Amino acid sequence: EPEVTQTPSHQVTQMGQEVILRCVPISNHLYFYWYRQILGQKVEFLVSFYNNEISEKSEIFDDQFSVERPDGSNFTLKIRSTKLEDSAMYFCASMQTSQGYEQYFGPGTRLTVT
Amino acid sequence: GQQLNQSPQSMFIQEGEDVSMNCTSSSIFNTWLWYKQDPGEGPVLLIALYKAGELTSNGRLTAQFGITRKDSFLNISASIPSDVGIYFCAGRLNTGNQFYFGTGTSLTVIP
Repeated sequence: EPEVTQTPSHQVTQMGQEVILRCVPISNHLYFYWYRQILGQKVEFLVSFYNNEISEKSEIFDDQFSVERPDGSNFTLKIRSTKLEDSAMYFCASMQTSQGYEQYFGPGTRLTVT
Repeated sequence: GQQLNQSPQSMFIQEGEDVSMNCTSSSIFNTWLWYKQDPGEGPVLLIALYKAGELTSNGRLTAQFGITRKDSFLNISASIPSDVGIYFCAGRLNTGNQFYFGTGTSLTVIP
């Protein structure tokens, strides 16, 4: 069964450093998402991406963040100048709207900023 | 952003019991999704709902799209220990493809 994959599973970085989180969405899906989940809290929307551009973004997704689809399979989230409060689980998700709005999540990347 | 409130916040039940939880919003949604999340893992999609009043089942799970379109319900029948986890609802408005997530219901099943 097709699934969303994410790498790395765990990333430790020092405050101020840049990180890139990677995702491979399900191959025939058209919409791609990044979400954040701080430990013990709900899942928070960051950004959606469709047709090679940002479709929607939340107030969390400021200039510190950027997304890219560098090739036909990968979808990345870059976080510049990381802060302690960026420590969270980051989930990628993808959706194929031709058969409904079923959004599938990857296993997540745990980002720890020290 | 949109506020989706789930209740109860947590549940402790005996194995074999049925479970009911709900998700409410002040806004009208066009799509409701229900997810289960295990610790340290990504949410797993359980059920998708698209029409007001729709009732959809997935094994022992049944979810309903509220007729006001501002709420949704999830029922689990004959709970088993592997049902333990956090259940999230997610809703999509009429415009856009952003999903708003609920606050979650934590389920503990006592063998």
